[in-house]
Amino acid sequence: AQSVTQPDIHITVSEGASLELRCNYSYGATPYLFWYVQSPGQGLQLLLKYFSGDTLVQGIKGFEAEFKRSQSSFNLRKPSVHWSDAAEYFCAVGGDFGNEKLTFGTGTRLTIIP
Amino acid sequence: DTGVSQDPRHKITKRGQNVTFRCDPISEHNRLYWYRQTLGQGPEFLTYFQNEAQLEKSRLLSDRFSAERPKGSFSTLEIQRTEQGDSAMYLCASSLVSPALNEQFFGPGTRLTVL
Repeated sequence: AQSVTQPDIHITVSEGASLELRCNYSYGATPYLFWYVQSPGQGLQLLLKYFSGDTLVQGIKGFEAEFKRSQSSFNLRKPSVHWSDAAEYFCAVGGDFGNEKLTFGTGTRLTIIP
Repeated sequence: DTGVSQDPRHKITKRGQNVTFRCDPISEHNRLYWYRQTLGQGPEFLTYFQNEAQLEKSRLLSDRFSAERPKGSFSTLEIQRTEQGDSAMYLCASSLVSPALNEQFFGPGTRLTVL
């Protein structure tokens, strides 16, 4: 069965500091991996996605993620966070080019301090 | 460009009542998904459709839950005899199936509170 683990429930970083959110997945076949962001009262917005090719994926809002097959990880990074990045971040895994059900992690809540 | 819409955005009901939610996907999208999200958790898959056909249902989906997509466009999710444990955010998403890596676009959700 597919699963996603986000070990960090809550992370606090200072504005301008770098950020890394961890994600580990379990999937029997080739994983299709996604990072979504959810702001209060908002729907889920896709930050980036990965299937194959270059293991470093660029997304929107200055985010990137690196796929490491040997570690079953897909960590999200940003070199310098902005106050507007405060939100809940979800890692997800799915199949069939992203057209099957997605399995989400429990999320990491990001707080930004001035 | 119209995204995924859901109606209502909020629903408060008493235990034992039936509720129905509607989802309008992005117009050319042929797959439609329902997820449920409780506080402090990530979304959990409930069911999905390709056009009118319901292709998969989660074991989370009890007999009190039913979903339809009668004309392959909008979808409804009905919960009969609601229980307090049904209180959650119900999310709808849609995607266009193609031989490329596809994104599921999510709606804003319907927040259900069962008193």
